[in-house]
Amino acid sequence: SYVLTQPPSVSVAPGQTARITCGGSDIGTKSVHWYQQKPGQAPVLVIYYNKDRPSGIPERFSGSTSGNTATLTINRVEAGDEADYHCQVWDSSSDQVVFGGGTELTVL
Amino acid sequence: EVHLVESGGGLVKPGGSLRLSCAASGFTFSSYSMNWVRQAPGKGLEWVASISTTSNYIYYADSLRGRFTVSRDNAKNLLYLQVNSLITEDTAIYYCARDRAGGYDFGYWGQGTLVTVSS
Repeated sequence: SYVLTQPPSVSVAPGQTARITCGGSDIGTKSVHWYQQKPGQAPVLVIYYNKDRPSGIPERFSGSTSGNTATLTINRVEAGDEADYHCQVWDSSSDQVVFGGGTELTVL
Repeated sequence: EVHLVESGGGLVKPGGSLRLSCAASGFTFSSYSMNWVRQAPGKGLEWVASISTTSNYIYYADSLRGRFTVSRDNAKNLLYLQVNSLITEDTAIYYCARDRAGGYDFGYWGQGTLVTVSS
């Protein structure tokens, strides 16, 4: 089965850039989606189809894919960005939705 | 405005069963595939199942196939998840989710319903 690997945690100072990776075999050939989840809340879609932002999501959030890694980049990080971030794909070879294990972003 | 409200969670003994419901409003329910995603305490998101608009296509997580059954009633705007032979590892918040616009990116989520499996 397809596996997505995320680092458990990432820390960044306010105003700096956070990069959260999501590794998977040939992930560059798939559509990657990213979700932000704050404590006690449902997930929120922040990036879809690798790089597109839903309405209402700040331009500071961007996504990219290359080879075996997808990356969620958050520029000018704010305290309010502190949350868990989850990557997700649809694996057409197995007809499965796959989530990464999630990354806890800490704003120092 | 899209609104998804889950219900049916609660405390159940190992081996028991539950039927979760998700009431949808604010959109044409019959035009969208629907999904169940769960999250165990302190863990990441785990996809459970997806069901197409007319229930022609139903997909389950390989690890959960056999005990979970997803269904929908388009006339009532309701999504269901029947869970049988519950085990302690099924303890989780169960979310229903709708795709944003026809793909497998989940743009809309309910608030979730908590299922606790314990003796």
